[in-house]
Amino acid sequence: QKEVEQNSGPLSVPEGAIASLNCTYSDRGSQSFFWYRQYSGKSPELIMSIYSNGDKEDGRFTAQLNKASQYVSLLIRDSQPSDSATYLCASPTSGTYKYIFGTGTRLKVLA
Amino acid sequence: DAGVTQSPTHLIKTRGQQVTLRCSPKSGHDTVSWYQQALGQGPQFIFQYYEEEERQRGNFPDRFSGHQFPNYSSELNVNALLLGDSALYLCASTSGGRETQYFGPGTRLLVL
Repeated sequence: QKEVEQNSGPLSVPEGAIASLNCTYSDRGSQSFFWYRQYSGKSPELIMSIYSNGDKEDGRFTAQLNKASQYVSLLIRDSQPSDSATYLCASPTSGTYKYIFGTGTRLKVLA
Repeated sequence: DAGVTQSPTHLIKTRGQQVTLRCSPKSGHDTVSWYQQALGQGPQFIFQYYEEEERQRGNFPDRFSGHQFPNYSSELNVNALLLGDSALYLCASTSGGRETQYFGPGTRLLVL
């Protein structure tokens, strides 16, 4: 059973700090990874995708992928209270069209 | 650019009943996936439809079935509802199947 694992949190950070969210995966063949943000009672909203080892930056968000260690992380710089949400990591299982999601990490940004 | 739409937004059913949920993909997308998300959990993959066929299925019983229409819209049917089927049902669309998925607003189903 391929898995994507995340710490459920909550992860609490003060406003303006860097929030670091981590995700590990078991499928060595996974090629693409996605971060979604989900506010309470709402549907997941895409933040970033990453396919290659290294860093990918988009505004205040940086995704990092390390295939050798099988982890993906999301950094949020200058965290704002509006960033308080659950962050989901996802990846399609290699050789299939089945996407596996982690349980999500709940982030709380304290004003 | 129309995003993914789902209907209805909320639904209340009783055990043993059947339910049909509907989804229209984002403009330009041809692939629809359905997910079940229980409270406090990540979305669980039910199945994916492409070219009007079920292309991939997750670990869900046959009570869960679907359909895709020529205009790429899709339906999720659940028969013989159980209390445990209460969840947020999400539809996601993509182009091609393994690319970035975009989610609709979801249908919240409550089974009493």
